[in-house]
Amino acid sequence: DGGITQSPKYLFRKEGQNVTLSCEQNLNHDAMYWYRQDPGQGLRLIYYSQIVNDFQKGDIAEGYSVSREKKESFPLTVTSAQKNPTAFYLCATGTQNTGELFFGEGSRLTVL
Amino acid sequence: QQQVKQSPQSLIVQKGGISIINCAYENTAFDYFPWYQQFPGKGPALLIAIRPDVSEKKEGRFTISFNKSAKQFSLHIMDSQPGDSATYFCAASIEGNYGQNFVFGPGTRLSVLP
Repeated sequence: DGGITQSPKYLFRKEGQNVTLSCEQNLNHDAMYWYRQDPGQGLRLIYYSQIVNDFQKGDIAEGYSVSREKKESFPLTVTSAQKNPTAFYLCATGTQNTGELFFGEGSRLTVL
Repeated sequence: QQQVKQSPQSLIVQKGGISIINCAYENTAFDYFPWYQQFPGKGPALLIAIRPDVSEKKEGRFTISFNKSAKQFSLHIMDSQPGDSATYFCAASIEGNYGQNFVFGPGTRLSVLP
């Protein structure tokens, strides 16, 4: 089944813990993105990557880290340095040809 | 300059009515304007998109109107249905040094009453 797979769908974390959100795609898209969604604020870009082993900070990268070791995978780590990590996290992929973004189903992180 | 403004924040429409959501941008270098539809607990899905060389694009009940001089674009949903109840995001994108960069509006929550 083609698409973008995010896991886990729901995650609970205690303060001070790092957590990693997984994003896997089989669309063969070069670009991958991580967005954070909070109520009433739309989508804010955390990190993005156009090619393997290269990634760029978005508008709200502080407290997050990523890696791009494979074209198919773009995991996001929410570190303990992120002050307000409770949010809905969305992974997306895109192609240069069409300019479209394709989103995964999202991961909801709650910090207890 | 990178901001995309969107209104209204929420919208209630009767079944069969027309839903209209408006967006405005500042950066004239934006070259792609998509609309996304998001249901609760799901990721956004591309609904319809337009490029600035076209003033209108229609796909079924969904139409984008684009006013380049005013730097505004809008989504019209004709014959709105309860199944259209969702959050709608407009966006604008531009080719950057590291690929396509997207800026999203804050979203409009649409409720279509049966």
